[in-house]
Amino acid sequence: NAGVMQNPRHLVRRRGQEARLRCSPMKGHSHVYWYRQLPEEGLKFMVYLQKENIIDESGMPKERFSAEFPKEGPSILRIQQVVRGDSAAYFCASSRTSVVNTDTQYFGPGTRLTVL
Amino acid sequence: DQQVKQNSPSLSVQEGRISILNCDYTNSMFDYFLWYKKYPAEGPTFLISISSIKDKNEDGRFTVFLNKSAKHLSLHIVPSQPGDSAVYFCALPNQAGTALIFGKGTTLSVSS
Repeated sequence: NAGVMQNPRHLVRRRGQEARLRCSPMKGHSHVYWYRQLPEEGLKFMVYLQKENIIDESGMPKERFSAEFPKEGPSILRIQQVVRGDSAAYFCASSRTSVVNTDTQYFGPGTRLTVL
Repeated sequence: DQQVKQNSPSLSVQEGRISILNCDYTNSMFDYFLWYKKYPAEGPTFLISISSIKDKNEDGRFTVFLNKSAKHLSLHIVPSQPGDSAVYFCALPNQAGTALIFGKGTTLSVSS
């Protein structure tokens, strides 16, 4: 049973370009979470999605960032007009049910975004 | 505001000895706590969890202790092995129950 898959593993963008990060959850998981880890920091929650719905985006910057989890295909985290401060590791996690049910979140290997 | 604090950025232990990693939190809506382990260039891996109905949960060499009155939990690894060298994150659900809040992590180094 494949784990959470993320691609690309490494992404380099110049300031002003767009970054698209993809996440395929574990089989049977319909809950997806995106976290960001800045250097020397812990993981910070960005957004929580279920199929075709954004449940909580309170951790996501109001501008330039968006996320989706379509009926078919992977979840996408999109960053428009990237700036150097967006350089970080972005992790996706999935779970079968929700955090409320104390269900375990399983993480992907992350995408390391570098903005030049 | 919920906070999770891991006040020791690093810990060095000799192989075979006990490693104790600590975590303090400000408040917990769901009384459920988790530890994750992370190797460089990999995602965090779930290690062990505990709910407030217990004050201890054990899984092999790993034991988590919860002191609710002190809002403190600790992870004990015994005996420590070089392969345990990693960053350990303490986490708990946010108040909305929509995500996890993580501490900054403690880097454990186990020398042989």
